Amino acid sequence: GAVVSQHPSRVICKSGTSVKIECRSLDFQATTMFWYRQFPKQSLMLMATSNEGSKATYEQGVEKDKFLINHASLTLSTLTVTSAHPEDSSFYICSASAGGSAGDTQYFGPGTRLTVL
Amino acid sequence: DAKTTQPTSMDCAEGRAANLPCNHSTISGNEYVYWYRQIHSQGPQYIIHGLKNNETNEMASLIITEDRKSSTLILPHATLRDTAVYYCIVKKRGSARQLTFGSGTQLTVLP
Repeated sequence: GAVVSQHPSRVICKSGTSVKIECRSLDFQATTMFWYRQFPKQSLMLMATSNEGSKATYEQGVEKDKFLINHASLTLSTLTVTSAHPEDSSFYICSASAGGSAGDTQYFGPGTRLTVL
Repeated sequence: DAKTTQPTSMDCAEGRAANLPCNHSTISGNEYVYWYRQIHSQGPQYIIHGLKNNETNEMASLIITEDRKSSTLILPHATLRDTAVYYCIVKKRGSARQLTFGSGTQLTVLP
């Protein structure tokens, strides 16, 4: 149980284009989903927290108009990197938490490797 | 959430127990200790968590000192596939609370 998937696993795009990354909780309903970014040889850094049906809360320094997050259902959250640039190249990882009586342990997706040319 | 301190790296022989320490001297009474690991180029994997009692599951054991200022994650029989960065994270209960990742411990299991 507690499986989180991400799609795509890797994507290469041209500078200026937009990329959408999907995060799904496969066997539980996630009241809260988190988006992290990890640059090479660095630790995970939280980008934003999203709760189903409400606007995401972004961490300081993360542009909400550039990184659009939608959490329209209890099993799906999407991150869209708009007008991507080479400096956005990174490993993007989502996590999901069921909350409530199911506990608040976060389970992570396998990550999406984004390369912007 | 309280800050944690872990050694940068550790080696362990395959088949032996791997004991990974973590200091969290400023932990408060309602904060849990969580352990995750990240194998290269993968998302973090949940291992175990605890409040004050020792915990064991199919992956590992978590030993928390009586004063809760430190803990040890034990992998009883390390395999090459256990080579990863291990993160010790202290967090209050609550699904809306994020995990704050430090630098972790790079565990290398040697053949």
